Amino acid sequence: AQSVAQPEDQVNVAEGNPLTVKCTYSVSGNPYLFWYVQYPNRGLQFLLKYITGDNLVKGSYGFEAEFNKSQTSFHLKKPSALVSDSALYFCAVRLTGANNLFFGTGTRLTVIP
Amino acid sequence: GAVVSQHPSRVICKSGTSVKIECRSLDFQATTMFWYRQFPKKSLMLMATSNEGSKATYEQGVEKDKFLINHASLTLSTLTVTSAHPEDSSFYICSARGGGTYEQYFGPGTRLTVT
Repeated sequence: AQSVAQPEDQVNVAEGNPLTVKCTYSVSGNPYLFWYVQYPNRGLQFLLKYITGDNLVKGSYGFEAEFNKSQTSFHLKKPSALVSDSALYFCAVRLTGANNLFFGTGTRLTVIP
Repeated sequence: GAVVSQHPSRVICKSGTSVKIECRSLDFQATTMFWYRQFPKKSLMLMATSNEGSKATYEQGVEKDKFLINHASLTLSTLTVTSAHPEDSSFYICSARGGGTYEQYFGPGTRLTVT
């Protein structure tokens, strides 16, 4: 069975500092990995994805994530956090040939001015 | 990126009534649409997956007679909550995916409150 873990419910970081939001996965087969962001009372916005190729993927708003197959991780990173980055972040995985996404439990990021 | 809309954004209904939520892909053809439910401070729970012109596939534990899903065209899917009860109050989010693409694009969500 596939699963996605976001070990931190909450991450606090000072504005201007680098941020990391962690995600690990457990799947059989090769996964497609995604990060989404959700602002209050809104749907999810796509940030970035890993399908194949370069392990470091760059996405929207200066975010990037690194696919690490040996550690089965796909941590989201940004070199310099903005207050406007404060939101709920979801990691998701989709198996090759499957239709739907499996989501992690979400990590609330708070960037402190 | 692709745009998915949902209507209404908020709805309050009385217990026992039915509510229909629409999900539209505005600038692409959605061969597959998904309906999720999100509880406060929780992740998204997939309710069902629908392909255009086919019956929806419901996840385990989701009552198909209570949550009616229709995917009548490549740009529209509807979720009808029948005989709503207060425990159906939640945030419902749809998403859509075009053929041959990897991303799902999400609607802004519908907040349903059943009184």
